[in-house]
Amino acid sequence: SYELTQSPSVSVSPGQTVSITCSGDDLGDKFVSWYQKRPGQSPILVIYQDNKRPSGIPERFSGSNSGNTATLTISGTQTMDEADYYCQAWDRSTGVFGAGTKVTVL
Amino acid sequence: EVHLAESGGGLVQPGGSLRLSCAASGFTFSRYWVHWVRQAPGKGLVWVSRIDSDESNTRYADSVKGRFTISRDNDKDTVYLQMNSLRADDTAVYYCAREGDSDQLDHWGQGTLVTVSS
Repeated sequence: SYELTQSPSVSVSPGQTVSITCSGDDLGDKFVSWYQKRPGQSPILVIYQDNKRPSGIPERFSGSNSGNTATLTISGTQTMDEADYYCQAWDRSTGVFGAGTKVTVL
Repeated sequence: EVHLAESGGGLVQPGGSLRLSCAASGFTFSRYWVHWVRQAPGKGLVWVSRIDSDESNTRYADSVKGRFTISRDNDKDTVYLQMNSLRADDTAVYYCAREGDSDQLDHWGQGTLVTVSS
């Protein structure tokens, strides 16, 4: 079955830039979405189709996808961005999530 | 405003059954595919199942195939997840989510907790 691999955690200082990667075989041939998940809250879509932002998502969130790696970048990170981030793709009409990356802002 | 609301979670014994509901409002429900995604305590998001707009096509994760059944009633704007032969590792918060026009899960419910324990 298809797998997406994410680093478990990353830390960033407020105002700095952080990048979260997601890898999978020929991932660049698929569209990738990214979801933000805070404890006790529902997931929120922050990026879809590799690099599109839904309405209401701040411009500091951006995405890219090429080769075997998709990347979510948060520029000018704010304390409210502290959360788990999950990449997601479709493989043969079934959904696949990465294991998630915990972003700590300190 | 798009709104999804799950219900039906609770405590069930191993081997038991439970039916979750996902009631939708604020959009033309019959046009959209709907998915179930779960998160076990302390774990990540896991895709469970999806149903297309007219119920003609469904998909399941291997871990629930043969035990879970997804269905929908477009007259009631509701999607269901019938869960049979429940196991301890099915314990999770179950979310329903709408699939938008670009294959993204653009709106999510608040989740309902399913606990499988004796």
